[in-house]
Amino acid sequence: RKEVEQDPGPFNVPEGATVAFNCTYSNSASQSFFWYRQDCRKEPKLLMSVYSSGNEDGRFTAQLNRASQYISLLIRDSKLSDSATYLCVVRHGGYQKVTFGTGTKLQVIP
Amino acid sequence: NAGVTQTPKFQVLKTGQSMTLQCAQDMNHNSMYWYRQDPGMGLRLIYYSASEGTTDKGEVPNGYNVSRLNKREFSLRLESAAPSQTSVYFCASSEVAGSSAAKYNEQFFGPGTRLTVL
Repeated sequence: RKEVEQDPGPFNVPEGATVAFNCTYSNSASQSFFWYRQDCRKEPKLLMSVYSSGNEDGRFTAQLNRASQYISLLIRDSKLSDSATYLCVVRHGGYQKVTFGTGTKLQVIP
Repeated sequence: NAGVTQTPKFQVLKTGQSMTLQCAQDMNHNSMYWYRQDPGMGLRLIYYSASEGTTDKGEVPNGYNVSRLNKREFSLRLESAAPSQTSVYFCASSEVAGSSAAKYNEQFFGPGTRLTVL
């Protein structure tokens, strides 16, 4: 089993739709969780950290389920500008023990 | 404030040639990292430097060497390039190594170097 697994997609959704991605991780001792966004041929950028209690940033909501070992990202009212690849990132030890998922591609269509 | 800069942006090498990828950050970060990104593989850590003067191997260090020249700069060297090293290389930095505070683990990435080895 991969350390971090994501559905590669693509998820094709109409503008205004709500879309959710899940990411599963295998190491139960994982400590920190993040969602990064990567535009085509660009560098990854932090979208949001994922806290145990769940957290929201505008149209984006992140949740952590430690029992089932997954994190989720919910995007409400999708915009064309949300089209990108979303990377799930898990830290499971020291600062260097960070594993990136392969990403889920989102395409928001007019 | 440029963040993380990388040079060159693109490079084509022949098998056996050597080159150095340069990375610099102006955020006064302690930790710096080199990743490679290949289709379907995600980002994989090549080497990292927790602080000035220290470097350690990551997941895929074979065929690479690094130098933490000072707090700002962290270079990656390919001594004898191979086609398997064709990839996109990203340098990243973070503020505090090992901190449990989530924000200190945010990594800031450079724009990447697209390397092709023929």
